[in-house]
Amino acid sequence: DTGVSQNPRHKITKRGQNVTFRCDPISEHNRLYWYRQTLGQGPEFLTYFQNEAQLEKSRLLSDRFSAERPKGSFSTLEIQRTEQGDSAMYLCASSLQLEQYFGPGTRLTVT
Amino acid sequence: GQQVMQIPQYQHVQEGEDFTTYCNSSTTLSNIQWYKQRPGGHPVFLIQLVKSGEVKKQKRLTFQFGEAKKNSSLHITATQTTDVGTYFCAGLFISNFGNEKLTFGTGTRLTIIP
Repeated sequence: DTGVSQNPRHKITKRGQNVTFRCDPISEHNRLYWYRQTLGQGPEFLTYFQNEAQLEKSRLLSDRFSAERPKGSFSTLEIQRTEQGDSAMYLCASSLQLEQYFGPGTRLTVT
Repeated sequence: GQQVMQIPQYQHVQEGEDFTTYCNSSTTLSNIQWYKQRPGGHPVFLIQLVKSGEVKKQKRLTFQFGEAKKNSSLHITATQTTDVGTYFCAGLFISNFGNEKLTFGTGTRLTIIP
């Protein structure tokens, strides 16, 4: 399978804990995006990388959120001190041109 | 900030009827993309429109981009049960620094009555 992969697929954590998600994009894609999606809503942009450079970051991304793409390949999204409002599906997408290819997402539940 | 609105939020149609969803942006778009998300799935790219007034067809699906590049529509002719899902438009905005940001609409959830 050469699509976008995300791990883990599901994460249940207690409030206050830190969590980290991983995204492996399609190998030749230089652009990588993170989105958050809650029930009944469209994906909400969080941040965007071109190769290893983080070029755009949403104002929604508080200082508890950090994303990296150290070698321009896979990316990680970390949430520190999780809150119940962080519960959502976290989607990663990659692109070479303009159309984006989404991974299956990581569903986070904060209890 | 940029906002992309879609109507209707939900649409229930009999199989064989037509379906249309409309998308409006608060600002001019560089391009607009359409995605389909099946229940429990992730968004899948359908098409991209770039030119003012552009119309593209994919079998029973017709996509239009407005003259002012601020609105778009997706029309499905003679719906089938495989069309079930949520249809999102996504407007591409380019910042002053040349960075791209895709802003998704609120989506239209289509259900089909067999």
